[in-house]
Amino acid sequence: GDSVTQMEGPVTLSEEAFLTINCTYTATGYPSLFWYVQYPGEGLQLLLKATKADDKGSNKGFEATYRKETTSFHLEKGSVQVSDSAVYFCALSTYNQGGKLIFGQGTELSVKP
Amino acid sequence: DTGVSQNPRHKITKRGQNVTFRCDPISEHNRLYWYRQTLGQGPEFLTYFQNEAQLEKSRLLSDRFSAERPKGSFSTLEIQRTEQGDSAMYLCASSYTGQYQETQYFGPGTRLLVL
Repeated sequence: GDSVTQMEGPVTLSEEAFLTINCTYTATGYPSLFWYVQYPGEGLQLLLKATKADDKGSNKGFEATYRKETTSFHLEKGSVQVSDSAVYFCALSTYNQGGKLIFGQGTELSVKP
Repeated sequence: DTGVSQNPRHKITKRGQNVTFRCDPISEHNRLYWYRQTLGQGPEFLTYFQNEAQLEKSRLLSDRFSAERPKGSFSTLEIQRTEQGDSAMYLCASSYTGQYQETQYFGPGTRLLVL
């Protein structure tokens, strides 16, 4: 079945460092890809999405490009802030499966000042 | 638009008791999803509704679980005869299928602890 694999955490960075969180997927159809973020004590928030190959999603300085050839959707940010500390989830959905989201296990990011 | 709301936010119960959670989706959204999230894991799909029809249930949803969405508005998730393994965060999300790939918006979740 469809699945998502994320790099394991926790990831600890200093403020202004470059961030990459790897995400790869397996899907039988043509999925849409998402990054959700969960701040401490809060629910999931959509960070960015891409619906077809080579699309780039971006928001709040974060970017991810839908790479069909490598089945990847890595999350990047050029300069992280302490306020970016959270758990990041990569997910996919396919239209012919009712749009349900399949999530990776999450990557915890901690940014130190 | 006040977003997706869930009640209660926290629930502590004893093993064997029944519990019910409520989800109020964003008003114009026709799809409603339930997920379960255990500590350190990503959310797992449980079930979803399109309007009032329940279209899919995961294998994770045992016979002790039942979900409803009367009138296609709010939804309830009931767990009967709770077990300690039911302890988790229960998340609700809603979306509108007017676009090809809809975006799901999540509520804050209900955290269940079964003693």
